[in-house]
Amino acid sequence: GGIITQTPKFLIGQEGQKLTLKCQQNFNHDTMYWYRQDSGKGLRLIYYSITENDLQKGDLSEGYDASREKKSSFSLTVTSAQKNEMAVFLCASSRQRSAETLYFGSGTRLTVL
Amino acid sequence: GQQVKQSSPSLTVQEGGISILNCDYENDMFDYFAWYKKYPDNSPTLLISVRSNVDKREDGRLTVFLNKSGKHFSLHITASQPEDTAVYLCAAGEQGTGSKLSFGKGAKLTVSP
Repeated sequence: GGIITQTPKFLIGQEGQKLTLKCQQNFNHDTMYWYRQDSGKGLRLIYYSITENDLQKGDLSEGYDASREKKSSFSLTVTSAQKNEMAVFLCASSRQRSAETLYFGSGTRLTVL
Repeated sequence: GQQVKQSSPSLTVQEGGISILNCDYENDMFDYFAWYKKYPDNSPTLLISVRSNVDKREDGRLTVFLNKSGKHFSLHITASQPEDTAVYLCAAGEQGTGSKLSFGKGAKLTVSP
């Protein structure tokens, strides 16, 4: 088996601050994803990456950057934190490059003061 | 707009009854359909998935029904139990390189003893 590790679990930032969330997976999966989870809105895709150094925009990419430095890691940057950024950010990975089973990390809960 | 929709945000079923969760989608290129289960403060995990070459898939107490012409799929849980109480997220996607899953907002199922 494998595991997806997200750090930090809790992230508190100031409005306007640049904040980075990290994700590591040891499944050796090709594709990694960043989803945002808001109450009553389900999961919305921010960025995904089908291989190292690849980046694909999701439905909610504005205000975010991402980086796939190596196959096992995928980071997400909130470029300028806003008050309405309070949400849980979920990282996921999948074995193949197409829509298949997603394995999720435990999430990073972001609070902006 | 939202590509995958769960119109009923909540459902309550008596223990032993059948729980039926519904999902509609807009993109007729979608050919992969899945249901994820999420407990409070946990990440979603895959329950069951189906590809478009079948219209039904059973796995124990779970059955997914797919109606491609109606762009609709549903999850039936027979002999519902209190431990089935959770949020259920439907997801759909298109097979092929670089594709990704679109999720519904989720539906809270409560199974009362």
